[in-house]
Amino acid sequence: DIQMTQSPSTLSASVGDRVTITCRASQSIGRWLAWYQQKSGKAPKLLIYDASSLESGAPSRFSGSGSGTEFTLTISSLQPDDFATYYCQQYNNYSTFGQGTKVEIK
Amino acid sequence: EVQLVESGGGLIQPGGSLRLSCAASGFTVSSNYMTWVRQAPGKGLEWVSLIYSGGSTYYADSVKGRFTISRDKSKNTLYLQMNSLRAEDTAVYYCARGRQWLIDYWGQGILVTVSS
Repeated sequence: DIQMTQSPSTLSASVGDRVTITCRASQSIGRWLAWYQQKSGKAPKLLIYDASSLESGAPSRFSGSGSGTEFTLTISSLQPDDFATYYCQQYNNYSTFGQGTKVEIK
Repeated sequence: EVQLVESGGGLIQPGGSLRLSCAASGFTVSSNYMTWVRQAPGKGLEWVSLIYSGGSTYYADSVKGRFTISRDKSKNTLYLQMNSLRAEDTAVYYCARGRQWLIDYWGQGILVTVSS
């Protein structure tokens, strides 16, 4: 099974900050990686797919990069609506999610 | 507009069975990859099961042999039959549409509580 590890687990940041979240796979997954945003009590929303493609409707301040085993999600300028939990998901071999990164207000 | 609405959740005793339904609109369930994902209270997301448009099914090891994913073309509905339920199956269950294994639309989720 492919394991996905996100870091950090919690991140404190201020509006306007540049934020980076990392996701590591236990084996190579090519570029078969997605990022989701989940707000409390709501379903997740797709932000990024195929490691770096921005989903239609997702704000352009979100970007993704990486391939193989190491991936990053970057928020270029954190907005009030961005305080949420973010999950990576590999879909190279079945599907596995990372444990999540909670972005909190500093 | 794509919509997914889950139903059938609730409180069930350990060892019991429950069937979740997911009514879809705005697209055809049988023409898409459909997935169930769950989230235990205060925890992260866990992939549970997927059904291909061609009908092949896949399960997480944690539910294999106990859960069955299926669909009804005439009702445009996805199902998850859950048998031999355990306390650790307690979670919000999300129905989701996939672009193959990538998930692009999620339902609002339905809570299943396994407790005596």
